[in-house]
Amino acid sequence: GAVVSQHPSWVICKSGTSVKIECRSLDFQATTMFWYRQFPKQSLMLMATSNEGSKATYEQGVEKDKFLINHASLTLSTLTVTSAHPEDSSFYICSAVQGSFNEKLFFGSGTQLSVL
Amino acid sequence: RKEVEQDPGPFNVPEGATVAFNCTYSNSASQSFFWYRQDCRKEPKLLMSVYSSGNEDGRFTAQLNRASQYISLLIRDSKLSDSATYLCVVTPYNFNKFYFGSGTKLNVKP
Repeated sequence: GAVVSQHPSWVICKSGTSVKIECRSLDFQATTMFWYRQFPKQSLMLMATSNEGSKATYEQGVEKDKFLINHASLTLSTLTVTSAHPEDSSFYICSAVQGSFNEKLFFGSGTQLSVL
Repeated sequence: RKEVEQDPGPFNVPEGATVAFNCTYSNSASQSFFWYRQDCRKEPKLLMSVYSSGNEDGRFTAQLNRASQYISLLIRDSKLSDSATYLCVVTPYNFNKFYFGSGTKLNVKP
């Protein structure tokens, strides 16, 4: 299957700092990427849809000024958690759609964010 | 109403058992359907797509019932390594959203 690379895998940061997470499609171009958040023992929650060259579309209840998404190229989307707080601690996963006629969704390996 | 609903389980089965999961979706215009597998603290991985005619991949069989708006996953001869959470995913025709079920947890016991 297609490869989506996500970095970093783990981040520990102090409250108030900003954290950037990168998501790259390594062997295909992704016009659309998705960012999810998952709390322990809960399902994936879609945060936003990232479209190359345009503004991201955020799901209801997700603060766009807090979770900044940039999708400047067909292979890279970034999520920046600004002024992180302990309640932002979670597992963040990106994904990208691959394929022209049989679209499938492939995931990065996720980023575990812990805010102290 | 949620876009996709699944029984959260857990399903506790012995090795070698056959187990089936169902998933219902609310939007009759949904176009594509998938089963993903997620291990603890890992990213979801595509298990198989679900086609209208039903499809099989080894011990795994997926079926779609558009009239009743549900998809199913059947696992035969369960292995210990099948223990994971299985996610049902539904997407509309333009693939602009992928809706996930909350997942069904499977525990295969020796």
